[in-house]
Amino acid sequence: RKEVEQDPGPFNVPEGATVAFNCTYSNSASQSFFWYRQDCRKEPKLLMSVYSSGNEDGRFTAQLNRASQYISLLIRDSKLSDSATYLCVVTTGNQFYFGTGTSLTVIP
Amino acid sequence: DVKVTQSSRYLVKRTGEKVFLECVQDMDHENMFWYRQDPGLGLRLIYFSYDVKMKEKGDIPEGYSVSREKKERFSLILESASTNQTSMYLCASSGDKAKNIQYFGAGTRLSVL
Repeated sequence: RKEVEQDPGPFNVPEGATVAFNCTYSNSASQSFFWYRQDCRKEPKLLMSVYSSGNEDGRFTAQLNRASQYISLLIRDSKLSDSATYLCVVTTGNQFYFGTGTSLTVIP
Repeated sequence: DVKVTQSSRYLVKRTGEKVFLECVQDMDHENMFWYRQDPGLGLRLIYFSYDVKMKEKGDIPEGYSVSREKKERFSLILESASTNQTSMYLCASSGDKAKNIQYFGAGTRLSVL
């Protein structure tokens, strides 16, 4: 079983839509959770950390559900510039585990 | 701003050649990582290092070696390149104070012919 699983998509949504991605992880001892964004042919960059209490950064909201072992990312009022691949990242001990990424295309 | 620099953006090599991929970070980070990224497989960890002259195998170390002689530099070596090592290679670093946040280089797209 993979440490981290994501729906690869693709998600194609119109501008202004709300879209949500989920990511499940297998190890209940995992301690840190993140969403990274990767543009086409570019490196991944940290988008936001994920906490049990939930955290919000503008149009982006991230949530952690430890009981069900998943993290989520909600994007409201989608912009064309949100088109990218979104990677969830989970750390367990010293190890980082990356999801394979969810592809999002926002359509005019 | 953290800067992680990979020596080449694109590289074309022939089967059997020895290949060096260099990575330098300027934030005095203790931890450095090498990944490869392939479609449908995501990022896979090849090797990592938590200190100078220290190295640990990741999930797919076969066919690779690494060198960390200086804190700021982490080199990935393909002793004898093969076509199945054609991939995007990403270097990352993180500091002990914010251990769980990784900063990536721009990547090296390696083609082995």
